[in-house]
Amino acid sequence: AQKVTQAQTEISVVEKEDVTLDCVYETRDTTYYLFWYKQPPSGELVFLIRRNSFDEQNEISGRYSWNFQKSTSSFNFTITASQVVDSAVYFCALSEAGNQFYFGTGTSLTVIP
Amino acid sequence: GAVVSQHPSWVICKSGTSVKIECRSLDFQATTMFWYRQFPKQSLMLMATSNEGSKATYEQGVEKDKFLINHASLTLSTLTVTSAHPEDSSFYICSAREGGRGELFFGEGSRLTVL
Repeated sequence: AQKVTQAQTEISVVEKEDVTLDCVYETRDTTYYLFWYKQPPSGELVFLIRRNSFDEQNEISGRYSWNFQKSTSSFNFTITASQVVDSAVYFCALSEAGNQFYFGTGTSLTVIP
Repeated sequence: GAVVSQHPSWVICKSGTSVKIECRSLDFQATTMFWYRQFPKQSLMLMATSNEGSKATYEQGVEKDKFLINHASLTLSTLTVTSAHPEDSSFYICSAREGGRGELFFGEGSRLTVL
């Protein structure tokens, strides 16, 4: 079974629109971490956020915000007022207590000017 | 923040040759490093977990004799693709975890093209 599901394979939005990238995870551990990474066309992975399983507070960082809901096992990522530079593939990931890292299949975001 | 550096960032080689990729943690000690492989438009696939001073742990389906991993120090792990073939062409990414913080930092990736 897929540990991390990113149902949206590709999304296109027009610049300045808001966009939400979905992430649903599956784990039996009570202690775990959730992550979002950005992979621009150049290939490197850029760390965006880490959230531990005991902290359900939503987080906002500039135009980025994250909504963590344990009740639905979701960790969604919203970009407000999207920009062309936001175009990239975004990966959601889960790290369990055993240190194994599980990546979702990624969502390719294209922001059209 | 912690930095992980990979070298080379891209390499082209002839079929049958071996290629070594280095992964270094620049400002922290990493007892564990991870090697991933990513095919175009796909997710990262964990190949192996590299443990300092001991043998690497390979994921199912990954040939350990094909992909040699050495973690000689707390700041360096190497991946050697032996007798490379065109099907080994891929994007290889390493990562390292800084202590118990849980964050996993990634190298810039190495794009291997085997002719």
